Amino acid sequence: GAGVSQSPRYKVAKRGQDVALRCDPISGHVSLFWYQQALGQGPEFLTYFQNEAQLDKSGLPSDRFFAERPEGSVSTLKIQRTQQEDSAVYLCASSLGYRGPRSGNEQFFGPGTRLTVL
Amino acid sequence: KQEVTQIPAALSVPEGENLVLNCSFTDSAIYNLQWFRQDPGKGLTSLLLIQSSQREQTSGRLNASLDKSSGRSTLYIAASQPGDSATYLCAYGGATNKLIFGTGTLLAVQP
Repeated sequence: GAGVSQSPRYKVAKRGQDVALRCDPISGHVSLFWYQQALGQGPEFLTYFQNEAQLDKSGLPSDRFFAERPEGSVSTLKIQRTQQEDSAVYLCASSLGYRGPRSGNEQFFGPGTRLTVL
Repeated sequence: KQEVTQIPAALSVPEGENLVLNCSFTDSAIYNLQWFRQDPGKGLTSLLLIQSSQREQTSGRLNASLDKSSGRSTLYIAASQPGDSATYLCAYGGATNKLIFGTGTLLAVQP
């Protein structure tokens, strides 16, 4: 498909387990973003990659959260020792990545992974 | 703290009505503003992107405007249809590239 894909779509984890969430961006998109969406809220930024470089990880809530994009395409968000407060929908987005205030940095989102920690 | 406010939080209208959704933001140095729709249990679908140098964008029955000086954007939906029922989110992008989102407006269009 031509869109952003994410897997798994749903993940149930027991508290303390590690989880890994995958994102396949649109082919050719340089920028990749991860967001966390709690129930009834708007998405909140977690981290941002430009190719394989993680340029901003200011939104990661704790050192249990780790993201990587080793070859500049697929990205994985890993959560170690999951806690109940980690339960949320994790959204991935990609964009062409042109810089500057006149750029059309439109972000395209995947369907998300709904994580439930019991 | 950078904030985005969307008013109203929820809206119910009969089919065929024109409606306006409002979005206000505190950051004056935005690069662009994007409107999305989100269906229950689904991801975000991009509707319109307005760059900071533009004042409005149109796509079909949708028209979005941007007033940077007052920190406001509006999404106008003409001749609403039941299929327009969804949550509508606005978000702005700045120098850091990340999007800052509002909490959304839940729209229900009654047949």
